[in-house]
Amino acid sequence: DGGITQSPKYLFRKEGQNVTLSCEQNLNHDAMYWYRQDPGQGLRLIYYSQIVNDFQKGDIAEGYSVSREKKESFPLTVTSAQKNPTAFYLCASQASRQGIYSNQPQHFGDGTRLSIL
Amino acid sequence: SQQGEEDPQALSIQEGENATMNCSYKTSINNLQWYRQNSGRGLVHLILIRSNEREKHSGRLRVTLDTSKKSSSLLITASRAADTASYFCGPLPMYSGGGADGLTFGKGTHLIIQP
Repeated sequence: DGGITQSPKYLFRKEGQNVTLSCEQNLNHDAMYWYRQDPGQGLRLIYYSQIVNDFQKGDIAEGYSVSREKKESFPLTVTSAQKNPTAFYLCASQASRQGIYSNQPQHFGDGTRLSIL
Repeated sequence: SQQGEEDPQALSIQEGENATMNCSYKTSINNLQWYRQNSGRGLVHLILIRSNEREKHSGRLRVTLDTSKKSSSLLITASRAADTASYFCGPLPMYSGGGADGLTFGKGTHLIIQP
């Protein structure tokens, strides 16, 4: 079945540590996104990528980094610079952000819940 | 970035009743999408309405769009316990060719269906 897989489901970070959240999709989608969701809040865009080897900052990119070396993979690193990383992180993909494909929905993974030890 | 704001923040109804939730947004859109999120899970796409459409149906879902008021509504008819979830609207802005745009969701409407 096609879809998006996020791992791990739960992750704990120690002070000063960088952690990487995995996001893999087999939908052959060009565009991928990372969102952060705090309790009782909406989703905020961290980073997005329209195509391999290209990505753009979202609204809250500080303290995060991404890479897009392969079409199917868009890992998110939460660095030690992110002082309040506890949240639910969601990855999504879309066929494309451009042209007729912009009317395609985003497909979401089941999220990674990150907590501080 | 564009943000949809859902209203009400919480809604509790009896099973079998209809549920209506609203969404407002700020600038011109390409389309508007509604998503459902069950507790602790990712978002699931429900329905997409394009800026040149006024109403769309999918099963028990009915979505309306009023671009002059920059608002949309989602109606769930004959609600079921399984409809209990949070519902988010995602207005997709007209593609600007740059900037940090994308689907940025509000706090959602938390719908509880009482058995």
